[in-house]
Amino acid sequence: DAGVIQSPRHEVTEMGQEVTLRCKPISGHNSLFWYRQTMMRGLELLIYFNNNVPIDDSGMPEDRFSAKMPNASFSTLKIQPSEPRDSAVYFCASSLQFYNEQFFGPGTRLTVL
Amino acid sequence: ELKVEQNPLFLSMQEGKNYTIYCNYSTTSDRLYWYRQDPGKSLESLFVLLSNGAVKQEGRLMASLDTKARLSTLHITAAVHDLSATYFCAVWDSGGGADGLTFGKGTHLIIQP
Repeated sequence: DAGVIQSPRHEVTEMGQEVTLRCKPISGHNSLFWYRQTMMRGLELLIYFNNNVPIDDSGMPEDRFSAKMPNASFSTLKIQPSEPRDSAVYFCASSLQFYNEQFFGPGTRLTVL
Repeated sequence: ELKVEQNPLFLSMQEGKNYTIYCNYSTTSDRLYWYRQDPGKSLESLFVLLSNGAVKQEGRLMASLDTKARLSTLHITAAVHDLSATYFCAVWDSGGGADGLTFGKGTHLIIQP
């Protein structure tokens, strides 16, 4: 089992640019989660999907952030336009159901200059 | 809103000593998870606690859950340097919430020779 796969692993971009982060959950898992981790705010849940449907997006900081899950094996988190305060590590996690143990991907370290 | 509090947030201890990390949460739950994160790495699942009185052990780590007290503990026995990491507890709100897991702020553990 390859585990949760995220790409890219590192992204450096300039303020105002569009950033797209990608995630492939573990096969057979029905729930997918996007988190953001910073030193100041810790680990924050941004959004999660159950059976490809967004269930709770109350953690998405603002309209510049959007997430999609077009099928069971792929999700994207998009930031447009990006700002320096978006710099963080973004984790994707998946679980069998939303209340089960979550398995985390390696993360994407985003730096917005 | 479910609140999860860990203490201490920072802990420096010597090898060979015992210590306990506490995780308190504010609402009904019978599902609690412990994760470990090494610097610059992702989160790794350690324990899944699914009922009152549940106790799990792996090596020098033992986790327990008291749902009536809304408390989980992670006990470290005869600490070794390799256990240095940040430990997170995460709780699922079983009171009908669909908010996924709520994570504590993490306990940054340093074990010195």
